[in-house]
Amino acid sequence: AQSVTQLGSHVSVSEGALVLLRCNYSSSVPPYLFWYVQYPNQGLQLLLKYTSAATLVKGINGFEAEFKKSETSFHLTKPSAHMSDAAEYFCAVRANAGGTSYGKLTFGQGTILTVHP
Amino acid sequence: EPEVTQTPSHQVTQMGQEVILRCVPISNHLYFYWYRQILGQKVEFLVSFYNNEISEKSEIFDDQFSVERPDGSNFTLKIRSTKLEDSAMYFCASSELGTANTEAFFGQGTRLTVV
Repeated sequence: AQSVTQLGSHVSVSEGALVLLRCNYSSSVPPYLFWYVQYPNQGLQLLLKYTSAATLVKGINGFEAEFKKSETSFHLTKPSAHMSDAAEYFCAVRANAGGTSYGKLTFGQGTILTVHP
Repeated sequence: EPEVTQTPSHQVTQMGQEVILRCVPISNHLYFYWYRQILGQKVEFLVSFYNNEISEKSEIFDDQFSVERPDGSNFTLKIRSTKLEDSAMYFCASSELGTANTEAFFGQGTRLTVV
């Protein structure tokens, strides 16, 4: 079974500041990890994914995330926030194993990012 | 760019009524999913569908729910007799493959309000 915990339901940063959104996972098998972003009135868009290759993953819009097995974490970062980054961010895990559950994503509760001028 | 489209964007229905939420997945995708997000809560998996049958379903997906691919393009979620607690945003998703590293593409969602 898999689960994801996102620490902080709301994060507020100033424009130009570092963005750090935290995600910790629990998985009985090696996980695949994803970050999705949801802009207002839009669907979920994939930002980046970890699929057991490089532990530092770069995504769209300047975001990146680092898979740390020892810490069971996959935190999302961006060096300099932009106003357009304001959205809700979801971390998700999928089991890296055979069987019928490989398609199913398990999501965290989401973090709303607010960017102040 | 190919995208998953969902209709309607909003639906209001009376308790006890049947609703059908519609989705058009990306054309070459083979795996289809429904998720829902009750306001203020997590996005939750409902069901996955492949080769014209359900491959996995969650505890939420009880006998009130059904899915169908009635033709080559649409993928529908039917709720037989809606309850107030079915009010949520429903997301359809599709992926080309069912492997764990394959990206799932999500639609914009249908906001269902049961009154």
